[in-house]
Amino acid sequence: SAVISQKPSRDICQRGTSLTIQCQVDSQVTMMFWYRQQPGQSLTLIATANQGSEATYESGFVIDKFPISRPNLTFSTLTVSNMSPEDSSIYLCSVENGNDYEQYFGPGTRLTVT
Amino acid sequence: AQKITQTQPGMFVQEKEAVTLDCTYDTSDPSYGLFWYKQPSSGEMIFLIYQGSYDQQNATEGRYSLNFQKARKSANLVISASQLGDSAMYFCAMRGHSGGSNYKLTFGKGTLLTVNP
Repeated sequence: SAVISQKPSRDICQRGTSLTIQCQVDSQVTMMFWYRQQPGQSLTLIATANQGSEATYESGFVIDKFPISRPNLTFSTLTVSNMSPEDSSIYLCSVENGNDYEQYFGPGTRLTVT
Repeated sequence: AQKITQTQPGMFVQEKEAVTLDCTYDTSDPSYGLFWYKQPSSGEMIFLIYQGSYDQQNATEGRYSLNFQKARKSANLVISASQLGDSAMYFCAMRGHSGGSNYKLTFGKGTLLTVNP
């Protein structure tokens, strides 16, 4: 299975600022996914990031608020822009093992906005 | 569209006993995969087990097994010989294999499992 790391693991940020979350995978993967988990809720897909193309955003998420970069097959970043307390969540990146459809998650970034 | 339903918000089990966590699903995709993840209080999502819709046998991984009943559209997780470390939130998820909007992983609301000593 792929080994995924995320930075930072947690952060406390001021309202109106931005935070960039990094996701690093130990092998090349085609598809990377970014999820949000609000407190006490299930996971919601923000966007799918493919290398060499624009990220595909789910309904309710826009590029201006959650810009994503995917410069190569092992790395991606998600930026949470102009943060408000409603953005307080766990943000998780995820990759698919292309051989057998299994999907793995990074350890998550726990964000608190004050 | 895909939908996952987990009807048990919380479950309790005695240490060393088996427990079944329920999951039903709905999809229009003829080929799909079903997943179970464990999320401890630390927040990480730990992959437990995967079942493909065309797999002939139920998936097993150590103490975890997936009771897949295709006609009933259910994919229950069975944990045998529960341990205190099994206390966590458990999520059922699915993804269609045919592409399009069904390709994304769709999650249920989760079941909080508590293992009592």
